[in-house]
Amino acid sequence: SQQGEEDPQALSIQEGENATMNCSYKTSINNLQWYRQNSGRGLVHLILIRSNEREKHSGRLRVTLDTSKKSSSLLITASRAADTASYFCATAITNFGNEKLTFGTGTRLTIIP
Amino acid sequence: DAGVTQSPTHLIKTRGQHVTLRCSPISGHKSVSWYQQVLGQGPQFIFQYYEKEERGRGNFPDRFSARQFPNYSSELNVNALLLGDSALYLCASSLWWGETQYFGPGTRLLVL
Repeated sequence: SQQGEEDPQALSIQEGENATMNCSYKTSINNLQWYRQNSGRGLVHLILIRSNEREKHSGRLRVTLDTSKKSSSLLITASRAADTASYFCATAITNFGNEKLTFGTGTRLTIIP
Repeated sequence: DAGVTQSPTHLIKTRGQHVTLRCSPISGHKSVSWYQQVLGQGPQFIFQYYEKEERGRGNFPDRFSARQFPNYSSELNVNALLLGDSALYLCASSLWWGETQYFGPGTRLLVL
């Protein structure tokens, strides 16, 4: 079953604009990770945010985590055509060496040149 | 440094056959996980191995099995293939549990 649910399912914006994607989940987590996937290829890791963190930045990416609302957001600023991809959030539940990443359904982002 | 590698990249099988997929983790990574991604969906967790022991199993039938070798590489085996097993199979490695998982390019399996 999918723990994370991304919103929106699809997003089209003009190049240069900012893109915001949201992720909601159901159970307590150890960390939340965001990934990018181009055309059904392997997943590229973007950011990991731990449950005791509220915000992280990496280049043009900003991720927030609200554990009280069980939600996270990914902001991509100054979007580029190369940002066109599917974006997934994945929640990690870790317990004594046992780790399971549960992915959402993804947001399909299209950047219009 | 080389990333996670998987072989083969593509595979075509017929129903009832058996398949073995292989994964080599990033050097130094001791945890390997396997995921199945059906077209249009997010990846689904199949197995996690850490230090050569199975540490987690997703909701997949017993036709799916895996193992991790002393060099931390891993194999995923699927018996009695069904049409519904057609998917992209992804392998991911991490230093240890609780850390970032790095994914390989995947093996695309088509069952006819």
